[in-house]
Amino acid sequence: EAEVAQSPRYKITEKSQAVAFWCDPISGHATLYWYRQILGQGPELLVQFQDESVVDDSQLPKDRFSAERLKGVDSTLKIQPAELGDSAMYLCASSPRRDYREQFFGPGTRLTVL
Amino acid sequence: DAKTTQPPSMDCAEGRAANLPCNHSTISGNEYVYWYRQIHSQGPQYIIHGLKNNETNEMASLIITEDRKSSTLILPHATLRDTAVYYCIVRVGGSNYQLIWGAGTKLIIKP
Repeated sequence: EAEVAQSPRYKITEKSQAVAFWCDPISGHATLYWYRQILGQGPELLVQFQDESVVDDSQLPKDRFSAERLKGVDSTLKIQPAELGDSAMYLCASSPRRDYREQFFGPGTRLTVL
Repeated sequence: DAKTTQPPSMDCAEGRAANLPCNHSTISGNEYVYWYRQIHSQGPQYIIHGLKNNETNEMASLIITEDRKSSTLILPHATLRDTAVYYCIVRVGGSNYQLIWGAGTKLIIKP
């Protein structure tokens, strides 16, 4: 069964450093999402792509976060500089649909900022 | 102010129906209600979605009130593997829509 791949699975970094997360969606899925999930809370949508275009980044802290999906396939989420409050699980999801149903999630990247 | 309201936790006996409520009084008229669940240490899993009518699939049923201000997810015959956090999700807002995942309900299925 096809799965969403994410790497790394775990990342420990120091405050003010740059970090990057990678996501490879299920083949053929045009919609890709990045979420942040703080322990004990529900996921928070950071950015939604439709192919290579951003369709929603209203909740992305653009002063330090950036996301790209250059060829409309895999995607990278970057944080520069990282802050202590960025410690969280970063989840990637893909979907064959344009709305929010049938999202398939990857295993996530656990980020710890020291 | 919360956009969705769910009880923080619920218990259900194995084999019984689990009914999980969600209040979403600020939902717009043309926005769907989505339900996902997250088993410990895994990514969320899609369950079901609906607009106005009741919906059923192989996993669950979704009952939406006529005024659309609340809904109930029903797992007809809960098993131990249904133990998870269940999220009710809506998109709310005026000029700037935001997708809102609530804090979820921790459902514990007991033998």
